[in-house]
Amino acid sequence: DADVTQTPRNRITKTGKRIMLECSQTKGHDRMYWYRQDPGLGLRLIYYSFDVKDINKGEISDGYSVSRQAQAKFSLSLESAIPNQTALYFCATSDPSSGRTEAFFGQGTRLTVV
Amino acid sequence: GENVEQHPSTLSVQEGDSAVIKCTYSDSASNYFPWYKQELGKRPQLIIDIRSNVGEKKDQRIAVTLNKTAKHFSLHITETQPEDSAVYFCAASLAYTNAGKSTFGDGTTLTVKP
Repeated sequence: DADVTQTPRNRITKTGKRIMLECSQTKGHDRMYWYRQDPGLGLRLIYYSFDVKDINKGEISDGYSVSRQAQAKFSLSLESAIPNQTALYFCATSDPSSGRTEAFFGQGTRLTVV
Repeated sequence: GENVEQHPSTLSVQEGDSAVIKCTYSDSASNYFPWYKQELGKRPQLIIDIRSNVGEKKDQRIAVTLNKTAKHFSLHITETQPEDSAVYFCAASLAYTNAGKSTFGDGTTLTVKP
C-alpha cells in the first residue's frame, strides 16, 4: 500500500546537535507537511511544501529548517537541538486532485533532546 | 491566524452511550473542518469531515454538525464501543484543497468503559 514513511522512529540527541528527520512517501502526492505534537497541545504546523520548488513556514518554524529533495522526500532539520524541541513529529501529505481531501500522516518520529 | 478551541479535553462514557466533542474556530474564512482519530501510539487518521456549504454529515455511528454563524462544529459518536477510545482532534482549514495546512484543536481523550 502507498504510504508515508518517517525515519528514524525514535531518536535521542544532545542539546546543540544537528539532527535531520526524514520523510518519504509513495502516494505520489505533491503536498507535504511537517507537524509537531506535544502532550495536550494538538498538532502544530512547522513547514509545508506544495511542490519541489515551494517551501513555506508554518505556525512554529523558528529553530527548524526543511529540504524538499524530490516530490517524494521532505526532510526536517533541527540545526541546534534544544530540550523544548522534545516532541512527537509527524510528516503528512495531501493531494486534493486525487479526490480525497484529508491529510495522510506518517507513523511519527519521537525525538528527545537531552 | 486561525485559532481552534476544543472541549472537553477528556471525556469518559459508558459503552453504548453517546459522546459529543465541540470545537470553535476564529477565522470566518475557514471552510473545511476535518476530524482525526489517533489511537494510542498510532498516527492520526481522518474519520469524518465537513465543508462549509453543509450543515451536517453522517457516517454510520459518527456525525459532524457545523454552525458557520456561531463558528462552531461538533463531533457526535453514538452507541460508543471500547474501540472508540482514542484521542480525537478537530481542525479547521481555509480550503478543502489544502487540508494538510490545518489548525488543530488540542485534542479530546475519549475513554469508553465496557
